[in-house]
Amino acid sequence: DIEMTQSPDSLAVSPGERATINCKSSQSVFSSSSDKNFLAWYQQKPGQPPKLLIYWASTRESGVPDRFSGSGSGTDFTLTISSLQAEDVAVYYCQQYYTIPRTFGQGTKLEIK
Amino acid sequence: EVQLLESGGGLVQPGGSLRLSCAASGFTFSDYAMSWVRQAPGKGLEWVSVISGSGDSTQYADSVKGRFTISRDNSKNTLYLQMNSLRVEDTALYYCAKEGCTSIRCYCNCWGQGTLATVSS
Repeated sequence: DIEMTQSPDSLAVSPGERATINCKSSQSVFSSSSDKNFLAWYQQKPGQPPKLLIYWASTRESGVPDRFSGSGSGTDFTLTISSLQAEDVAVYYCQQYYTIPRTFGQGTKLEIK
Repeated sequence: EVQLLESGGGLVQPGGSLRLSCAASGFTFSDYAMSWVRQAPGKGLEWVSVISGSGDSTQYADSVKGRFTISRDNSKNTLYLQMNSLRVEDTALYYCAKEGCTSIRCYCNCWGQGTLATVSS
């Protein structure tokens, strides 16, 4: 199984500041045949289901604010929120869908400082 | 608008069974793979199972393989998860999720609100 490890486990950022969450996979999730990284980012607010933010490591889902961006390739990935808003308080998960079983990171709890 | 409505959760004793359902609307159901993902109380997300749009391909997490069966009825736009030989550690909120692609090698781009399955004596 591919293990996904996120860092940090929790993060407190001031409004308007940048937030950065890292995700590392134990094996590459890049497919040379499709030239894609099979990596997604989800946001889960309290009492709500997860919401897709980013797929193929860097493609923003429709309707997601452009302050959210994804980057990285192979085994190292980053979710960046360029200017934190109060409504961004949530737990963020990365997930690989390169192989079965699909695996999630442990989650990063983002709070307002 | 895509809508996914799970049902069928409840309290069951260890060793018992539950059948979860997910009624889908707002998209061509048979065109997309569908998944189940669960979340134990206060814990992270755990992928459980996926089924292709036609229903002819399925995959499972090792933790549920041989005990859970995913299926779909494309004529009823409904996804199912038959859960047998339930264990205390299967207690979780079970989410139904629509895949963003036709293949089963994809991300989940829409999630239901979840149905809670509690396994306890």
